[in-house]
Amino acid sequence: DAGVTQSPTHLIKTRGQQVTLRCSPKSGHDTVSWYQQALGQGPQFIFQYYEEEERQRGNFPDRFSGHQFPNYSSELNVNALLLGDSALYLCASSLQGERMTDTQYFGPGTRLTVL
Amino acid sequence: AQKITQTQPGMFVQEKEAVTLDCTYDTSDQSYGLFWYKQPSSGEMIFLIYQGSYDEQNATEGRYSLNFQKARKSANLVISASQLGDSAMYFCAMREVYNQGGKLIFGQGTELSVKP
Repeated sequence: DAGVTQSPTHLIKTRGQQVTLRCSPKSGHDTVSWYQQALGQGPQFIFQYYEEEERQRGNFPDRFSGHQFPNYSSELNVNALLLGDSALYLCASSLQGERMTDTQYFGPGTRLTVL
Repeated sequence: AQKITQTQPGMFVQEKEAVTLDCTYDTSDQSYGLFWYKQPSSGEMIFLIYQGSYDEQNATEGRYSLNFQKARKSANLVISASQLGDSAMYFCAMREVYNQGGKLIFGQGTELSVKP
């Protein structure tokens, strides 16, 4: 049973560039959430996708956008990169349901460095 | 506002001993879930244990147990018989019920070091 996968593992970009990160959810999961984790901090929620729509969004600017495909995989796009966007980007998948125990399972993350 | 507080930036424990990692939370909602995740140096967040706000029993998963004190708004993680592989960052997180499947709010984390 494949877990959550993310690509690429590491990425180096310069200020002003654009980047796309990819995520494949755990088998059987239909919901994907994205988090940004700065060094020494806890993860911060960016947004969540379900049924190919953004269902919930955290306090991030419009430079952060995403997409979910019919196979439930997802992309995170960041435009006009800033130095402060350097972080570990974590993708989490879950199965939409009514139980509070719907657990989010995380991938290994993509480490983005902006120079 | 929803908030998770972890007041121990770093903890040391001797191998085979038990350790408690503290977590307090703030929410105005009556229904919520509390989670603990482990993050090794590799970066992946590993789910450990879940406690629902209406669960009467403290959650347990193998060597992990959650000491849930609702009136004090605390959800401490207890790791029994520590192992060297338990050395990692540990994060407490919360989700409110109206956010079904929605965002997790994380604390700042506690770095646990297990000594041989």
